[in-house]
Amino acid sequence: GQNIDQPTEMTATEGAIVQINCTYQTSGFNGLFWYQQHAGEAPTFLSYNVLDGLEEKGRFSSFLSRSKGYSYLLLKELQMKDSASYLCAVRDSNYQLIWGAGTKLIIKP
Amino acid sequence: ETGVTQTPRHLVMGMTNKKSLKCEQHLGHNAMYWYKQSAKKPLELMFVYNFKEQTENNSVPSRFSPECPNSSHLFLHLHTLQPEDSALYLCASSQDTSSGANVLTFGAGSRLTVL
Repeated sequence: GQNIDQPTEMTATEGAIVQINCTYQTSGFNGLFWYQQHAGEAPTFLSYNVLDGLEEKGRFSSFLSRSKGYSYLLLKELQMKDSASYLCAVRDSNYQLIWGAGTKLIIKP
Repeated sequence: ETGVTQTPRHLVMGMTNKKSLKCEQHLGHNAMYWYKQSAKKPLELMFVYNFKEQTENNSVPSRFSPECPNSSHLFLHLHTLQPEDSALYLCASSQDTSSGANVLTFGAGSRLTVL
């Protein structure tokens, strides 16, 4: 079966750095997505990786290793507004999106 | 309005009621989706429409009935629901279902409670 694993919850301190990991086993691979979802709000697109390596976008970076079935989302200079759930999703060979259950990130002052 | 708009934001219904969820997108997208989001579970894809044609029905019970009158509007008709259907129902849209990164734009969801 297809599976996406990510930690259920993480806690970090304002101003620090946090890395949220995502491992996947899917039938084929056509890209990996990270979305951010604040409580009671719509998920919003953060990043898309289809080739190995690091994609940087301001305070957020996303890394992909296709051979290891592994990605991480790196958040730097954490702010209180970064408290949210972070959803990892992989598009398989049928162009279906397979979703993880999300990682709830709690930022403490 | 811009983006993807869902109404109502909150809905409480009895098991014998009939209600509908509405989704509207102002992005010029051709694909629209219904997802179910339950606490601590992955998003579950329910239905996909591409250019107004239903292309995906992921074994969803018949008490959920989608309708897509045009590329900008999507409805989810609800009838004889069960308490386990209580969840957040998210609508999303994308350019289509297969090109490029095909990023989804989500609405804020309709929180459904079935008594």
